[in-house]
Amino acid sequence: DIQMTQSPSTLSASVGDRVTITCRASQSISSWLAWYQQKPGKAPKLLIYKASSLESGVPSRFSGSGSGTEFTLTISSLQPDDFATYYCQQYNSFVSFGQGTKLEIK
Amino acid sequence: EVQLVESGGGLVQPGGSLRLSCAASGFTFSSYWMHWVRQAPGKGLVWVSRINSDGSSTSYADSVKGRFTISRDNAKNTLYLQMNSLRAEDTAVYYCARDGRPPYCSSTSCYARNWFDPWGQGTLVTVSS
Repeated sequence: DIQMTQSPSTLSASVGDRVTITCRASQSISSWLAWYQQKPGKAPKLLIYKASSLESGVPSRFSGSGSGTEFTLTISSLQPDDFATYYCQQYNSFVSFGQGTKLEIK
Repeated sequence: EVQLVESGGGLVQPGGSLRLSCAASGFTFSSYWMHWVRQAPGKGLVWVSRINSDGSSTSYADSVKGRFTISRDNAKNTLYLQMNSLRAEDTAVYYCARDGRPPYCSSTSCYARNWFDPWGQGTLVTVSS
């Protein structure tokens, strides 16, 4: 099974900050990685697929990069609506998710 | 508007059964693979099962294999998850999710994308005595 590890687990930041969340895979997954945003009590929302492809309707301040075993999600300028939990998900071999990164207001 | 609406969750005793439903609208349901993903209270996301467009191929996480059965009725635009022999560790919000795009098809087979968009709002299953 492919294990996905996100860091940090919690991130405190302010509106306007640039933030980066890292996701590492236990083995190479090429670019078969997606990122989701989840707010409390709500379903996850797709942000990015294939490591760097921005889903339609997602603000351009979100970007993804990486390949192989290391990936990043970057938010270029945090907005109040961005405070949420973020999950990475590999789909190279079946499916597995990272444990999540909670983005909090500093 | 693409929409997925789950139902059927509730409180069930250990060893009991429950059937979840997911009603789809706003897209050609029969063209997409579909998935179930669950989330235990305060925990992360865990993929549970998937089914191909016509229902002929299914896959399961090891934790539910032999106990859960995924199915679909394309005439009713509805996805199902039959859950038997439920355990306390099955307690979670269960989400249905559509595969991100129609499947990639070669000359011989079709393949799921295995990323999920959109998701339903979820239905809570609580297994407790």
